[in-house]
Amino acid sequence: QVQLVQSGAEVKKPGASVKVSCKTSGYTFTNYDINWVRQATGQGLEWMARMNPNSGETGYAQKFQGRVTMTRDTSISTAYMELSSLRSEDTAVYYCGRDSEIATIKYWGQGTPVTVSS
Amino acid sequence: DIVVTQSPDSLAVSLGERATINCKSSQSVLYSSNNKNYLAWYQQKPGQPPKLLIYWASTRESGVPDRFSGSGSGTDFTLTISSLQAEDVAVYYCQQYYNTPRAFGQGTKVEI
Repeated sequence: QVQLVQSGAEVKKPGASVKVSCKTSGYTFTNYDINWVRQATGQGLEWMARMNPNSGETGYAQKFQGRVTMTRDTSISTAYMELSSLRSEDTAVYYCGRDSEIATIKYWGQGTPVTVSS
Repeated sequence: DIVVTQSPDSLAVSLGERATINCKSSQSVLYSSNNKNYLAWYQQKPGQPPKLLIYWASTRESGVPDRFSGSGSGTDFTLTISSLQAEDVAVYYCQQYYNTPRAFGQGTKVEI
């Protein structure tokens, strides 16, 4: 079965960077895009970025341009999202999600809480 | 960028009654070459990631109860829960996947 397992909770200081991993299994990693979506406490879902793991092509929300970087390691079927210049407003749960055949997000990781605090 | 707006922000519905959520995109998400609307609906319960309910604006994901239905085309869409059950208490989001960024609506909280 398809599984996405994310790395654990992070606590960072303002100005630092965080790198969250999303290890996948149960399918061919390079066949489906990976998305990153975040959710601040009590708030809605915010789409951040996507990557084609085969080509490495990425697409980012303009809000995060210059601060977010998606990478992957195809040898271990893992995607990464790095967010830099962290501020308190970046405190949220970060989810990775795998596309279905038609670009909806059908499979989700469990979420990684990231806290930004001095 | 396409902006997606939902209404209302929250609604309270009696058990067994109908719940209706609206979603509007700032530009059409209807792709003319295949006549499909690139609009999905998700359900999120507390402490869980979202769950895909509907895609192509009106196609239920496998295993989703038939009390959930989606309709609409172009820029205006609706999610209807025909007979609200206790387990349907959640926040519902629409999302356009016509292009990047694949924006979500702000969510609609459904309560009993």
